[in-house]
Amino acid sequence: AIQMTQSPSSLSASVGDRVTITCRASQGIRNDLGWYQQKPGKAPKLLIYAASYLQSGVPSRFSGSGSGTDFTLTISSLQPEDFATYYCLQDYNYPWTFGQGTKVEIK
Amino acid sequence: EVQLVESGGGLIQPGGSLRLSCAASGFTFSDYSMNWVRQAPGKGLEWISYISSSSTTIYYADSVEGRFTISRDNAKNSLFLQMNSLRAEDTAVYYCTRDVHSNYYDSGRYYPADYFDFWGQGTLVTVSS
Repeated sequence: AIQMTQSPSSLSASVGDRVTITCRASQGIRNDLGWYQQKPGKAPKLLIYAASYLQSGVPSRFSGSGSGTDFTLTISSLQPEDFATYYCLQDYNYPWTFGQGTKVEIK
Repeated sequence: EVQLVESGGGLIQPGGSLRLSCAASGFTFSDYSMNWVRQAPGKGLEWISYISSSSTTIYYADSVEGRFTISRDNAKNSLFLQMNSLRAEDTAVYYCTRDVHSNYYDSGRYYPADYFDFWGQGTLVTVSS
């Protein structure tokens, strides 16, 4: 199975900060990667698919980049509602695998 | 409005069986593949099973292969997960997700893309004696 390694596992940031989360695949996965946001007690929400395509309705401060094995989720200006845990998910082949998550906390 | 509503969770003893359901509404269920994803308490997300729109293609994670069975009833807009031989490590919130098959363009050609655009609220399964 493809291993997805996210970093950092957690970070503290302030409102207005630029935040970057990375995800590394154990083998090349083209652009077959999505990013999901999860708030406590809630179901995850799709932010980005195919590495860089913004899901409809998601604010443009979220962006994704990367290809092959290295991917990045960027929040250009962190907002109060963005404090959550973020997961990457590879859909290149089965079994699909998530990263371990990155918790974004208030500084 | 798209809705996915899971049910069937609860407390079950190790070795027992449970059947989860996911009722879909607000979209043409038979047009979409579906998945189950779970999350152990305080842990990350784990994809566990996929079923294509017509049930012709099914995949499982190694952790549940041979114990869990995914199925669907398109006439009843429902997705199921039959869970047998349950273990303590199966304790988790179980989510059903709608799977979108799309394409993206890169370097002169199109590639398939899959993503989960809608999730249910989850149902908690607790395996304990």
